[in-house]
Amino acid sequence: QKEVEQNSGPLSVPEGAIASLNCTYSDRGSQSFFWYRQYSGKSPELIMSIYSNGDKEDGRFTAQLNKASQYVSLLIRDSQPSDSATYLCAVRGLGGGSNYKLTFGKGTLLTVNP
Amino acid sequence: GAGVSQSPRYKVAKRGQDVALRCDPISGHVSLFWYQQALGQGPEFLTYFQNEAQLDKSGLPSDRFFAERPEGSVSTLKIQRTQQEDSAVYLCASSLVGQGVKVTEAFFGQGTRLTVV
Repeated sequence: QKEVEQNSGPLSVPEGAIASLNCTYSDRGSQSFFWYRQYSGKSPELIMSIYSNGDKEDGRFTAQLNKASQYVSLLIRDSQPSDSATYLCAVRGLGGGSNYKLTFGKGTLLTVNP
Repeated sequence: GAGVSQSPRYKVAKRGQDVALRCDPISGHVSLFWYQQALGQGPEFLTYFQNEAQLDKSGLPSDRFFAERPEGSVSTLKIQRTQQEDSAVYLCASSLVGQGVKVTEAFFGQGTRLTVV
């Protein structure tokens, strides 16, 4: 089982809709969770971090964490064409080892249609 | 500088050639990471430095890969005798604090796209 799982997509939503991106991870002991956005040919850009169960909101973005279910999600409200990118879920501290190493999923390609 | 800077942005190497990729982290950042990203995949961890000390090199795929950060700032990833399977984007990231305390978020450079022909 891959340690961080994401649906590779593509996920296609109309402009103005809510985009929902999901991620599951294998290690219940993991503590830190991140969402990175990566435009084609560009480097990953951090958009959200979450450390506690529940929701964390930042503008149009909401990260949700459920450690019991080993599940983290990202909601993008009022999706814009400029949100079209690959969204990478990353977990730090997977496997109970290092508290610095990020383990990434393969990413979900989001397309927002005008 | 304002962000993590990597050079060159693109590198084409003939199979068997040695290459060196440079990373300039954000000033004052203690931690430095190298990741490898193959096409269509998420980044995969290669190695981690805290200041000049290489604390984790468990992700380096073979002994042809070598990384250093001699003065605790700029880092170089060297790949000897490049092979086609080394073709990937090599990403460098830095973060403010290191192991043992709450590690802050990592910020990535633009990457070096290596193509081995």
